[in-house]
Amino acid sequence: NAGVMQNPRHLVRRRGQEARLRCSPMKGHSHVYWYRQLPEEGLKFMVYLQKENIIDESGMPKERFSAEFPKEGPSILRIQQVVRGDSAAYFCASSPPQGMRTEAFFGQGTRLTVV
Amino acid sequence: GENVEQHPSTLSVQEGDSAVIKCTYSDSASNYFPWYKQELGKRPQLIIDIRSNVGEKKDQRIAVTLNKTAKHFSLHITETQPEDSAVYFCAPRTSSASKIIFGSGTRLSIRP
Repeated sequence: NAGVMQNPRHLVRRRGQEARLRCSPMKGHSHVYWYRQLPEEGLKFMVYLQKENIIDESGMPKERFSAEFPKEGPSILRIQQVVRGDSAAYFCASSPPQGMRTEAFFGQGTRLTVV
Repeated sequence: GENVEQHPSTLSVQEGDSAVIKCTYSDSASNYFPWYKQELGKRPQLIIDIRSNVGEKKDQRIAVTLNKTAKHFSLHITETQPEDSAVYFCAPRTSSASKIIFGSGTRLSIRP
């Protein structure tokens, strides 16, 4: 089991460009969570998805940010027209289906730098 | 889940001494109580967890205790070592489909 895979590990974008962050959950996991972490700060919840459904996006800015978790392929966090304030580490975590063990496992994160 | 508070925010202990971090939550339906450790520049990793049907769980030098009545649980690290230096997060939750909210974190430093 390869664990939760995120790519790219590092991403540099100029202001105004788009950033696409990918997260492949652990095998058998159908729940994905995205978090943003600024240096020296905590894990801020952004969005919670299950296959083809957004369950809770209360932590995600209404503009420029979107997330999906299609039937096939990884979950994608998309940031349009990036600004300097979007620079952060973005972590995703995955967990098994409801009713099973509830541990969440994290990917290594994508460090986004906006220049 | 939902409203989660951790104390203290920073903690410095002498190597070999014990460290205790407390997590308070508001959702009485919470029934799963994990602790994560995040070393500098790395991902958070689960180090110990407890479910609501037990009051304490121990794994070598780390332990977690749960007080469901008071809605708090604590991480205990005994005989601390330099490699215990990290940020620790709690993330209480229910087993039903819900977002995972993390505490604000506790930065633990071990003094040689």
